[in-house]
Amino acid sequence: QKEVEQDPGPLSVPEGAIVSLNCTYSNSAFQYFMWYRQYSRKGPELLMYTYSSGNKEDGRFTAQVDKSSKYISLFIRDSQPSDSATYLCAMSGVGDKIIFGKGTRLHILP
Amino acid sequence: KAGVTQTPRYLIKTRGQQVTLSCSPISGHRSVSWYQQTPGQGLQFLFEYFSETQRNKGNFPGRFSGRQFSNSRSEMNVSTLELGDSALYLCASSPEGTGGEVQYFGPGTRLTVT
Repeated sequence: QKEVEQDPGPLSVPEGAIVSLNCTYSNSAFQYFMWYRQYSRKGPELLMYTYSSGNKEDGRFTAQVDKSSKYISLFIRDSQPSDSATYLCAMSGVGDKIIFGKGTRLHILP
Repeated sequence: KAGVTQTPRYLIKTRGQQVTLSCSPISGHRSVSWYQQTPGQGLQFLFEYFSETQRNKGNFPGRFSGRQFSNSRSEMNVSTLELGDSALYLCASSPEGTGGEVQYFGPGTRLTVT
């Protein structure tokens, strides 16, 4: 079982829809949970990070962490064509290396 | 502030050769991490340096090595290149006061091994 599992997609949704992206993990030592966005031919860009369980909101983006289920989610409201990218979840323990999911390719259809 | 810069952006090498990639972190960042990104394996952690010391290491063979200089610039070296080393190599820097969860990535170096 891989430490972090993420559906590669592609996921295609119409503009304006709510997007739900998810990852599962197996390592209960993970404490930091991050979401990165990567456009083609660019490096990943940090969108949000949370420590331990709970929700965090930033504009159109909401990150959720459920440590009991070892499941994290990223919701994008009012999706825009500019949100089309690959979304990578990432997680780590305290002072430990970061483990990334393989990424979900998202297409927002105008 | 300028972002993370990586040189060169593209590189073509032959099997058996060695290669050195360079990374300049954001000014003031002392932590630099290196990653390998491939379509099959995704983004995989290579190593992290902080104040010229390797702080964490991933599961890569000894052909992959790195170092950090006193100005926080970092280099990674791959010796005896194999076809499977073809990948995008990404460097990221982290500000102090974070646990590494905040990383700023450079654009990467695309290495092709023929």
